[in-house]
Amino acid sequence: EAQVTQNPRYLITVTGKKLTVTCSQNMNHEYMSWYRQDPGLGLRQIYYSMNVEVTDKGDVPEGYKVSRKEKRNFPLILESPSPNQTSLYFCASSSSEGINEQYFGPGTRLTVT
Amino acid sequence: AQSVSQHNHHVILSEAASLELGCNYSYGGTVNLFWYVQYPGQHLQLLLKYFSGDPLVKGIKGFEAEFIKSKFSFNLRKPSVQWSDTAEYFCAVNTHGNNRLAFGKGNQVVVIP
Repeated sequence: EAQVTQNPRYLITVTGKKLTVTCSQNMNHEYMSWYRQDPGLGLRQIYYSMNVEVTDKGDVPEGYKVSRKEKRNFPLILESPSPNQTSLYFCASSSSEGINEQYFGPGTRLTVT
Repeated sequence: AQSVSQHNHHVILSEAASLELGCNYSYGGTVNLFWYVQYPGQHLQLLLKYFSGDPLVKGIKGFEAEFIKSKFSFNLRKPSVQWSDTAEYFCAVNTHGNNRLAFGKGNQVVVIP
């Protein structure tokens, strides 16, 4: 089954404790992206990747890092989480160059206290 | 930078009523346009998309959208909603040659049985 998986689905952590949210897709997609969803703000793009070893900033990259060492994986790293990073995070992937239909993962709800 | 506007963030209507959600974008060049739906507790799914051709696009579950280039709009419509259409709806825009996808803030639609 074609899908995007994220882990963990729920995470409660404390300020400053490094964490990684994993994202994996089994569709051989070149394009992968991370979004955060906040009430009243919709989805905002954090980082995206056009292919292996190619990443770029989205609209709200501050406080986040990503890596794309393998085509299927695109982890999101918070080196020193802060409470304003409490949010719902979605990973997405799509095929081909540019933007096509994006397939979204189930989301990771992160709470930073 | 491209921006996407969705008005009337909260919409409440009865079953069988007609639904229209507005979407306007700021970019004047060639665009790809999307509507995504997020059912309660679920991830985003594609409803429909427009890349080129017929500006009236039909999607899943009886939804359609019309691209009006002169108005920079891509409004979503459904003639007769059902309770199961209760969801949040997001318009998204990608401009050609740009690898980023900009989302609107979403419309929370509640259909009362």
